[in-house]
Amino acid sequence: AQSVAQPEDQVNVAEGNPLTVKCTYSVSGNPYLFWYVQYPNRGLQFLLKYITGDNLVKGSYGFEAEFNKSQTSFHLKKPSALVSDSALYFCAVRDRTDSWGKLQFGAGTQVVVTP
Amino acid sequence: GAGVSQSPSNKVTEKGKDVELRCDPISGHTALYWYRQSLGQGLEFLIYFQGNSAPDKSGLPSDRFSAERTGGSVSTLTIQRTQQEDSAVYLCASKGEGTGELFFGEGSRLTVL
Repeated sequence: AQSVAQPEDQVNVAEGNPLTVKCTYSVSGNPYLFWYVQYPNRGLQFLLKYITGDNLVKGSYGFEAEFNKSQTSFHLKKPSALVSDSALYFCAVRDRTDSWGKLQFGAGTQVVVTP
Repeated sequence: GAGVSQSPSNKVTEKGKDVELRCDPISGHTALYWYRQSLGQGLEFLIYFQGNSAPDKSGLPSDRFSAERTGGSVSTLTIQRTQQEDSAVYLCASKGEGTGELFFGEGSRLTVL
């Protein structure tokens, strides 16, 4: 079984400040990890993924995430947030042994960036 | 196509009616997934298709829900005798070979009155 926890329903940050969105996971084997963003009334857009290799993954729109195996975490970060980053963010996991299997999504974290 | 296409984008129906939601995946993608997103909720897995294998239906919430995928491409999600709790955004996604991400459509918003 696999699961994802996003402990914060909402994150508030001022424009220009660092943004962190937390994610922890549970999977029986090794994970593939993903971050998606959803703007209002839109589908999900892919931001970045961790498959293997470097624990620090860089993605779209200046976002990055760090895979921490010992803490089973994959927190999303951005050094300087923009108002346009305000959206709903989802973390997702898939077991590495099931490359065609479904992604298990977290409940989502609403990010609000104020000017 | 260039992306995952879903129709209709919005559907309002009366309780007890049947509805069909359509998904046209990215050309060449062999895996297709349906998720449901209720207001203020995360994504709930419904069903996925991979090539000619039997679909994983483990997420379908009741026997009123069914889905098929014809010719390995277009998929239709059917909800029979709709209930108000079926109101949600139904998201379709497709995936190609390898370890890659899912590509999502814009979703079909279903409102059951």
